[in-house]
Amino acid sequence: DAGVIQSPRHEVTEMGQEVTLRCKPISGHNSLFWYRQTMMRGLELLIYFNNNVPIDDSGMPEDRFSAKMPNASFSTLKIQPSEPRDSAVYFCASSLGRFYEAFFGQGTRLTVV
Amino acid sequence: QKEVEQDPGPLSVPEGAIVSLNCTYSNSAFQYFMWYRQYSRKGPELLMYTYSSGNKEDGRFTAQVDKSSKYISLFIRDSQPSDSATYLCAMDPMDSNYQLIWGAGTKLIIKP
Repeated sequence: DAGVIQSPRHEVTEMGQEVTLRCKPISGHNSLFWYRQTMMRGLELLIYFNNNVPIDDSGMPEDRFSAKMPNASFSTLKIQPSEPRDSAVYFCASSLGRFYEAFFGQGTRLTVV
Repeated sequence: QKEVEQDPGPLSVPEGAIVSLNCTYSNSAFQYFMWYRQYSRKGPELLMYTYSSGNKEDGRFTAQVDKSSKYISLFIRDSQPSDSATYLCAMDPMDSNYQLIWGAGTKLIIKP
């Protein structure tokens, strides 16, 4: 298996633009997590899906953020409109069973200018 | 005060040295303790996890939990340049089956 696949790896966008981050979890995994990592705040859980259903989105910072999982093999995280403070590395992770054994993708480095 | 405290480093040691990485925490309810390794520009990967107190060994790595002191450690023996990475501790608050409380991570540099 190729692991968790995220795209794009890097994204530079202007403030106010819409940004869509994509994730393909490991086949057969039933849990999917979106995390954000910054120097100031470390690793933060944004949203958790189980069997494609959003279970907890309390970590989503604002209404500008939304996430979907239309099927077991694809998820998106959208920011609209983007702001400079959204600049961070966004990770998608998936797991089967024990959630702390989640496998992380390589991340999307987002820069909003 | 953060629930989990971890010195961000960097910690620089010569190759072959024994490395000690540590985290302290404030919530006595934590039961599962994890260590993740994160290479530059990569996602974290689970290195080891320990349930409750005690030690767990895996090759050159030993995880230790002292619940009475609310202190966990990761020891790396015979450190190698390939061990250079950021090490994050994480803990399971037990009132969730998906949420972890993360440390800030310690950047480790092993000098050849």
